[in-house]
Amino acid sequence: DTGVSQNPRHKITKRGQNVTFRCDPISEHNRLYWYRQTLGQGPEFLTYFQNEAQLEKSRLLSDRFSAERPKGSFSTLEIQRTEQGDSAMYLCASSLELAWGPEQYFGPGTRLTVT
Amino acid sequence: AQTVTQSQPEMSVQEAETVTLSCTYDTSESDYYLFWYKQPPSRQMILVIRQEAYKQQNATENRFSVNFQKAAKSFSLKISDSQLGDAAMYFCAPNFGNEKLTFGTGTRLTIIP
Repeated sequence: DTGVSQNPRHKITKRGQNVTFRCDPISEHNRLYWYRQTLGQGPEFLTYFQNEAQLEKSRLLSDRFSAERPKGSFSTLEIQRTEQGDSAMYLCASSLELAWGPEQYFGPGTRLTVT
Repeated sequence: AQTVTQSQPEMSVQEAETVTLSCTYDTSESDYYLFWYKQPPSRQMILVIRQEAYKQQNATENRFSVNFQKAAKSFSLKISDSQLGDAAMYFCAPNFGNEKLTFGTGTRLTIIP
């Protein structure tokens, strides 16, 4: 069990540029979640997938954000035309769907800085 | 709206002592799950303990235990025999049955040697 991995770990970009992050979940986990965490706050839910289907998106996920999970394995989160307000830690988590309520396991996050 | 409140932004405890972190929440759901996560400085979020709302018995994991009071919508975390490695941000994070975690603002725990 290698855990949830995220790449890159850090990304610095200029305002207006596009960025893409990748998340590799724990191999047998069929659910994958994206959260955003700003300094001094708890993570906020962005979106989640069950297998390849994106089942829920937060209103925080503006039109500039898009997430995909082709083939139900890894996921990518793309932010187009980045703004300074997008600077945050982007966390990915995965879980295995079970009847008793799944625990989510988190990756190390990708810290985005928009200059 | 489902909300989570952690009223203690910072706490400190002497090494080997016991500390309790508080969490209250608001939901109209009757069946849900509650979690405490730990986030050490510059490290990833780690699950500490979980509690099913339908269970009356409080969960325990080694030095970590919870005091779950469903009627009061309270879910506190007790850390016994505090160790230096317990220093971290602690987040209360219920899953109110809609698959996502709702996080509180966190409590920063400092361990005093």
